[in-house]
Amino acid sequence: QKEVEQNSGPLSVPEGAIASLNCTYSDRVSQSFFWYRQYSGKSPELIMSIYSNGDKEDGRFTAQLNKASQYVSLLIRDSQPSDSATYLCAVNPSGEAGTALIFGKGTTLSVSS
Amino acid sequence: EAQVTQNPRYLITVTGKKLTVTCSQNMNHEYMSWYRQDPGLGLRQIYYSMNVEVTDKGDVPEGYKVSRKEKRNFPLILESPSPNQTSLYFCASSHHRDGQPQHFGDGTRLSIL
Repeated sequence: QKEVEQNSGPLSVPEGAIASLNCTYSDRVSQSFFWYRQYSGKSPELIMSIYSNGDKEDGRFTAQLNKASQYVSLLIRDSQPSDSATYLCAVNPSGEAGTALIFGKGTTLSVSS
Repeated sequence: EAQVTQNPRYLITVTGKKLTVTCSQNMNHEYMSWYRQDPGLGLRQIYYSMNVEVTDKGDVPEGYKVSRKEKRNFPLILESPSPNQTSLYFCASSHHRDGQPQHFGDGTRLSIL
């Protein structure tokens, strides 16, 4: 069973701090990794994609990938109350076109002002 | 505007009364998928379609049907809804290329009494 694991949280950080969200996956051949943000009752919204080992930065967000450790993380710098949401990690388990993504159950982030 | 449109957004109905949730995308995506999301269980895939007339079961297909007669549309059919199908449903689509993220509709909240 291919799995994506996330700590459910809640992860609580003060406004302005760095929030660090972690995800591990079981399928070693996975090639594509995504972070989605989901506000309560809303649909998941793609915020980051990462395909290669290392860091990828986009504004206040940085995704980090370590395929050897089967680990992907999301850092949110200068956290804002509007970042309070559930963050879903998603993995393309085989790297094949059209393969269904496997989603983690999400980590709930709470940013206090 | 690129989007995935689901209808209805909310529906309360009774056990056994057939219903259809429509999904349409305007991005010419080959791949479409239906998920349900329940507290503590995360996103679970119901059915997916790689292209017109090509559909396959996801993780939780029991009690659901789909069809893909046109590229843009992928309706979800509940022939005889039961209370355990009360959930938040999402349609998603992506290009049929390796590693493409999925774009989600706004969701349909179904309550089966």
